[in-house]
Amino acid sequence: AIQLTQTPSSLSASVGDRVTITCRASQGIASALAWYQQKPGKAPKVLISDASNLASGVPSRFSGTGSGTDFTLTISSLQPEDFATYFCQQFHSYPLFTFGPGTKVEIK
Amino acid sequence: EEQLVESGGVVVQPGGSLRLSCAASGFAFDEYTMHWVRQSPGRGLEWVSLINWDGSTTHYEDSVKGRFTISRDNTKNSLYLQMSSLTTEDTGLYYCVKDLGTTGDSWGQGTLVTVSS
Repeated sequence: AIQLTQTPSSLSASVGDRVTITCRASQGIASALAWYQQKPGKAPKVLISDASNLASGVPSRFSGTGSGTDFTLTISSLQPEDFATYFCQQFHSYPLFTFGPGTKVEIK
Repeated sequence: EEQLVESGGVVVQPGGSLRLSCAASGFAFDEYTMHWVRQSPGRGLEWVSLINWDGSTTHYEDSVKGRFTISRDNTKNSLYLQMSSLTTEDTGLYYCVKDLGTTGDSWGQGTLVTVSS
């Protein structure tokens, strides 16, 4: 089964900072990767699919890059509403989907 | 507005059974593959099962195969998950998800299943 690892597991940042989260797959998954944001008590919300396609309504400060085994989610200028946990998810091994363990972004 | 509302989560003893339901509205339910995804502190986010638009194809995560059955009723815009032989490892918040992994996916608010004696 394809495993996903995320680094870091948590980070502290300030409003306005540039933040980068990495997701690594245990084997190549082409561009079959999505990124989610989850706030406490809420369901995950999709930010990006196919590694770099922004979902409707998602601010342009979010971007995704990568293919194969290494992917990044970047927040160009962190806003107060961006403090949350971020997950990657692969769908290359359809019908078996897997999620990364998450990266918690906290206020410095 | 797309909406998914899960129900049926309760406290159940190990070995017990449970049926979760998900009521969909605001989109053409019978056009989409639907999923169940669960989340727990110990296991994180975990895909559980999917069913295609007409119910002819289903898939399950290995740990639930033979114990869980996903189904849908397109006339009622509803998704179901029949769960049996429950263990403590099945404890978690169960989400109903439309079109998982795409930019058009949407999630319900979840229903909590607790397996405990």
